[in-house]
Amino acid sequence: DAKTTQPPSMDCAEGRAANLPCNHSTISGNEYVYWYRQIHSQGPQYIIHGLKNNETNEMASLIITEDRKSSTLILPHATLRDTAVYYCIVRSNTGRRALTFGSGTRLQVQP
Amino acid sequence: DGGITQSPKYLFRKEGQNVTLSCEQNLNHDAMYWYRQDPGQGLRLIYYSQIVNDFQKGDIAEGYSVSREKKESFPLTVTSAQKNPTAFYLCASSIVTRGQGNTEAFFGQGTRLTVV
Repeated sequence: DAKTTQPPSMDCAEGRAANLPCNHSTISGNEYVYWYRQIHSQGPQYIIHGLKNNETNEMASLIITEDRKSSTLILPHATLRDTAVYYCIVRSNTGRRALTFGSGTRLQVQP
Repeated sequence: DGGITQSPKYLFRKEGQNVTLSCEQNLNHDAMYWYRQDPGQGLRLIYYSQIVNDFQKGDIAEGYSVSREKKESFPLTVTSAQKNPTAFYLCASSIVTRGQGNTEAFFGQGTRLTVV
């Protein structure tokens, strides 16, 4: 699976949009981009995933660049409960399907 | 409620003892996974299973063993051969899809193992 690069930490004001970047320049054609988050001492929670089109659900939006080498997770109106570590993961839909986690981005939402 | 259950939440063991961590899911998922997390780090894959009676080593399998006798259960044994067993252990499950689709993994709430 392709390696991802994320900033180690970010701050965001409560009520503002949080934009979390992820670089995956070695992504191949059959690899999906997944985002998970982990609130302290809990199991990771799925947020969203996509292949090449932008995706939106009730939690977030995922913007994938046209060359697929990077993506941005957008939390449109961040709340204090969104404070967590956010993981960007690239996974193939064939072969080993287990998620490979990096260090993620620690998002701190400030009141 | 459907979900994935890990027990116990906290576990203490003496050094040199084997210990088994429980993971049960009622989501009818084919695939199950075990991860280890150390403080301030991401998750690392220990073992995974895509079907009953079959499992594969992950990235850090040494000192661990698993079994998959039932679809809903995937217990992890931390053996005395594991040099640094104190960690947060997470179990997950997912559907195994064919074709282009893919599904998310659901995680349990973890077991925090402390070996003294």
